[in-house]
Amino acid sequence: ILNVEQSPQSLHVQEGDSTNFTCSFPSSNFYALHWYRWETAKSPEALFVMTLNGDEKKKGRISATLNTKEGYSYLYIKGSQPEDSATYLCAFRTGNQFYFGTGTSLTVIP
Amino acid sequence: DSGVTQTPKHLITATGQRVTLRCSPRSGDLSVYWYQQSLDQGLQFLIQYYNGEERAKGNILERFSAQQFPDLHSELNLSSLELGDSALYFCASSVVPSGGSDTQYFGPGTRLTVL
Repeated sequence: ILNVEQSPQSLHVQEGDSTNFTCSFPSSNFYALHWYRWETAKSPEALFVMTLNGDEKKKGRISATLNTKEGYSYLYIKGSQPEDSATYLCAFRTGNQFYFGTGTSLTVIP
Repeated sequence: DSGVTQTPKHLITATGQRVTLRCSPRSGDLSVYWYQQSLDQGLQFLIQYYNGEERAKGNILERFSAQQFPDLHSELNLSSLELGDSALYFCASSVVPSGGSDTQYFGPGTRLTVL
């Protein structure tokens, strides 16, 4: 079983602050890295699918970068809003397997 | 609403029993994935089907099996249930077979409680 680590485990920020968190994964046998946003009592919602080293993706105030050689991806949220409060989950795909991190729980305080 | 439907929403059953969870993918999606989220563990990948064929297998127990039908809906069968099988079971779908680089859309999940 591969290890996918996310840090920090939880984060509290003030509305308007920018924040970022990390997903670390093995640097070998990389196929894709997925980011999901998961609100309580809902199902995971896809944010990004990243496949190439150096990839940068953006969706509104949320962006992500990927470094497959060193095995990490960063997720950035600019100007956090209360509605950004959720768990942000990454999933590493190698071959035919998906490995999920345990997520970063973000709380944005109004 | 992702367009993926799962039934039932909740299921309560006893140890030793067998249950079937059902998933209908988004219109046009050919791949279906099953995931398990237990209380003490994160999301675990179970199995993937593409257009009726098994495509990838994760940490799926031998007591569990799945299939995808010609109309592309999928069923996850769980048998000889144990207390530890209590979990939230998600289904997700995507368009392409590889799935690795394709966006997956998750259903609302089925919460299984084994008493």
